[in-house]
Amino acid sequence: LAKTTQPISMDSYEGQEVNITCSHNNIATNDYITWYQQFPSQGPRFIIQGYKTKVTNEVASLFIPADRKSSTLSLPRVSLSDTAVYYCLVAPSGSARQLTFGSGTQLTVLP
Amino acid sequence: AAGVIQSPRHLIKEKRETATLKCYPIPRHDTVYWYQQGPGQDPQFLISFYEKMQSDKGSIPDRFSAQQFSDYHSELNMSSLELGDSALYFCASSRMMGQRNTGELFFGEGSRLTVL
Repeated sequence: LAKTTQPISMDSYEGQEVNITCSHNNIATNDYITWYQQFPSQGPRFIIQGYKTKVTNEVASLFIPADRKSSTLSLPRVSLSDTAVYYCLVAPSGSARQLTFGSGTQLTVLP
Repeated sequence: AAGVIQSPRHLIKEKRETATLKCYPIPRHDTVYWYQQGPGQDPQFLISFYEKMQSDKGSIPDRFSAQQFSDYHSELNMSSLELGDSALYFCASSRMMGQRNTGELFFGEGSRLTVL
């Protein structure tokens, strides 16, 4: 299982772009990279997933370099409601394999 | 849209008692995952099922067992409860794309177990 490493915490101000980088040095060829957001006492919520290069959806962008040993979640123009813990996961190939949450990044958005 | 349903939402038990948590996945989802999240902790993977068969096992105590039924709902049974079992228990479901697990899980709102 690929181990992930993220910063423990980050602070930002409303309206800024936030980039959270995750390292996953031993990612396997068929693994996908997935990011989740979690608010206190709520279940994690899927944000975005990707395999390589860049993926964008209505809430975030995900940048994955060619070697895939890291990924960066980009949140444009954050607001106070984006204060949450963000987790990077590596999804192993195969049916319903273990999806492990590492230590996430506590993002605090300040006014 | 239908979401993952977990019951009960809150549960209070005494030490050494048993508890059963239920999870109803999103319709047409074929995989179920169980996670335990203690206070201030990250979610810990317990066990997963695909097409009613156990797929993978994480840090699930021997006192716990789980299964996925023919209608795809799942139950997590916990016996000989300990104080340390107090946690939020999340169930998540997903749908496999062929043989690929893309990691897009849909989580329920969780069941909060308090052991006194």
